[in-house]
Amino acid sequence: DAGVTQSPTHLIKTRGQHVTLRCSPISGHKSVSWYQQVLGQGPQFIFQYYEKEERGRGNFPDRFSARQFPNYSSELNVNALLLGDSALYLCASSLAPTVSSYEQYFGPGTRLTVT
Amino acid sequence: GNSVTQMEGPVTLSEEAFLTINCTYTATGYPSLFWYVQYPGEGLQLLLKATKADDKGSNKGFEATYRKETTSFHLEKGSVQVSDSAVYFCALKENNDMRFGAGTRLTVKP
Repeated sequence: DAGVTQSPTHLIKTRGQHVTLRCSPISGHKSVSWYQQVLGQGPQFIFQYYEKEERGRGNFPDRFSARQFPNYSSELNVNALLLGDSALYLCASSLAPTVSSYEQYFGPGTRLTVT
Repeated sequence: GNSVTQMEGPVTLSEEAFLTINCTYTATGYPSLFWYVQYPGEGLQLLLKATKADDKGSNKGFEATYRKETTSFHLEKGSVQVSDSAVYFCALKENNDMRFGAGTRLTVKP
């Protein structure tokens, strides 16, 4: 079975540019969450989508946006990139967000470097 | 709000040593607790979980017990191997709110 997939693997952008990251969840999973992991820290929650609706948002500026498609894949968009946006962006999928016992399965991440 | 605090690293052990990585949490209700492991250059992998008080999660020789009275979920392994070298994250999930600790880097030397 395919796990969570993310693309691209690595990305280098310059300040002020825009970036789109993509995620495909495990088959049957309807919830996708996005996390930012800065080097040396734990993942920080950005967004959660379930059944194509935003169900949660972390403490990130409006430059960050996301959406979920009918096939449950998702995109994370970041506008006006800053140096501080350099991080590993992780996507995680789960069956449903509101059941605490449902674990999240993580993709390998997209390493974004902003120069 | 909910939060997770875990033991600062790095932790360096010799092969076959005993491992403990401390994790405590703050939650408003009854969260599920998880340990994730991140190997170099990879994403997070679920190591074990516990969904209610006194549950013990175990996998690959690692175990952790959900202690509600001390709000803790310490990770233990009786005999570590070089291949266990990685970063370990404690996490809690309550409904759709998931929080991670800062991570503890473990290095096991032969």
